[in-house]
Amino acid sequence: SQKIEQNSEALNIQEGKTATLTCNYTNYSPAYLQWYRQDPGRGPVFLLLIRENEKEKRKERLKVTFDTTLKQSLFHITASQPADSATYLCALDYWGSQGNLIFGKGTKLSVKP
Amino acid sequence: EAQVTQNPRYLITVTGKKLTVTCSQNMNHEYMSWYRQDPGLGLRQIYYSMNVEVTDKGDVPEGYKVSRKEKRNFPLILESPSPNQTSLYFCASSPIGEAKNIQYFGAGTRLSVL
Repeated sequence: SQKIEQNSEALNIQEGKTATLTCNYTNYSPAYLQWYRQDPGRGPVFLLLIRENEKEKRKERLKVTFDTTLKQSLFHITASQPADSATYLCALDYWGSQGNLIFGKGTKLSVKP
Repeated sequence: EAQVTQNPRYLITVTGKKLTVTCSQNMNHEYMSWYRQDPGLGLRQIYYSMNVEVTDKGDVPEGYKVSRKEKRNFPLILESPSPNQTSLYFCASSPIGEAKNIQYFGAGTRLSVL
């Protein structure tokens, strides 16, 4: 069956370290891979996207990689801060999706001071 | 300000009492969608709409109805709510064909069905 998985439900790291979140997918032909941030009780907010033919994308302290051979995207937050604590969702936009995204269940990141 | 507006934000109701959750977007987006989010299950799509008068089922459509009479509005209707529809609901919109289908979410509606 088609699915998208975020390997960790929760990730705890120390302030200043790099957080690395993983997103794996199966049975899709991806067009783009998107990452969203969700704070408790709030709607997800778009952060970054990466195309299938891109290896890496950066935005300030955020970096996303996309390996279509491994069927995996990694999301990095460098120099993490307590304010980065949130749930991060990956979402796959695949060819023929008609606008629908397939969301992972999310990884809850906690950055301790 | 570009936004997706859901109302109400919180709702407590009783089994069987019809309710409507409204969703409106001011970005002229073609695509709109409803999700529910439950602990451990992530976001699950209920219905989506590609444009006015065009709607289709998502992964969990049972017990829900939608309509898309105007481009900006996409209400979610629960004709006879049941306790298993207690959840956090999100409406989202997206400009298909532009901006790579990035979805813009509303603030959410927390529904409790007693």
